[in-house]
Amino acid sequence: DGGITQSPKYLFRKEGQNVTLSCEQNLNHDAMYWYRQDPGQGLRLIYYSQIVNDFQKGDIAEGYSVSREKKESFPLTVTSAQKNPTAFYLCASAALNHGYTFGSGTRLTVV
Amino acid sequence: GQQLNQSPQSMFIQEGEDVSMNCTSSSIFNTWLWYKQDPGEGPVLLIALYKAGELTSNGRLTAQFGITRKDSFLNISASIPSDVGIYFCAGQLWRDDKIIFGKGTRLHILP
Repeated sequence: DGGITQSPKYLFRKEGQNVTLSCEQNLNHDAMYWYRQDPGQGLRLIYYSQIVNDFQKGDIAEGYSVSREKKESFPLTVTSAQKNPTAFYLCASAALNHGYTFGSGTRLTVV
Repeated sequence: GQQLNQSPQSMFIQEGEDVSMNCTSSSIFNTWLWYKQDPGEGPVLLIALYKAGELTSNGRLTAQFGITRKDSFLNISASIPSDVGIYFCAGQLWRDDKIIFGKGTRLHILP
């Protein structure tokens, strides 16, 4: 079955560490997106990529980095520069005019 | 930038009641989408609307694309406990544009 997979489901990070969240899709979608969701809040766009080897900053890109070396993969690195990284992170992929398909999310907690 | 105003922010209803929520924008969209997010999971697409005035149903859910292209509503009839979650509206202007999300309506069902 085609889908989008995020891993891990839960991630704990010590202050000052970088961590990388994985997002893989086998839907053959060109576009991929990373969102951050805080309790009681909507979805805020971090980064997106519409084609391999190209990506764009979203509304809250500071403290995050991404890469898009393969169509199937769009990993997100939360760097030590992100001052408040505890949140629920959602990855999505999209084909033209078909809305987004979301992964099941990664909950990141700073300890 | 574009913003969607989704209301209400939260709702508390009795099981069996009908629910109505809506989304408005100062900008026009060519596509309206409604998603549902269960706790700890990613949002799942419920209904997609592609034409002004379009009324589409999916089981007990009905959504409409406003004539002005600046609004949409979602109705849920005869609510059941599994309807609990966060409902997001989303709009897209062009096929390759990013999707803009509302902040969500959190639905609670009282026993």
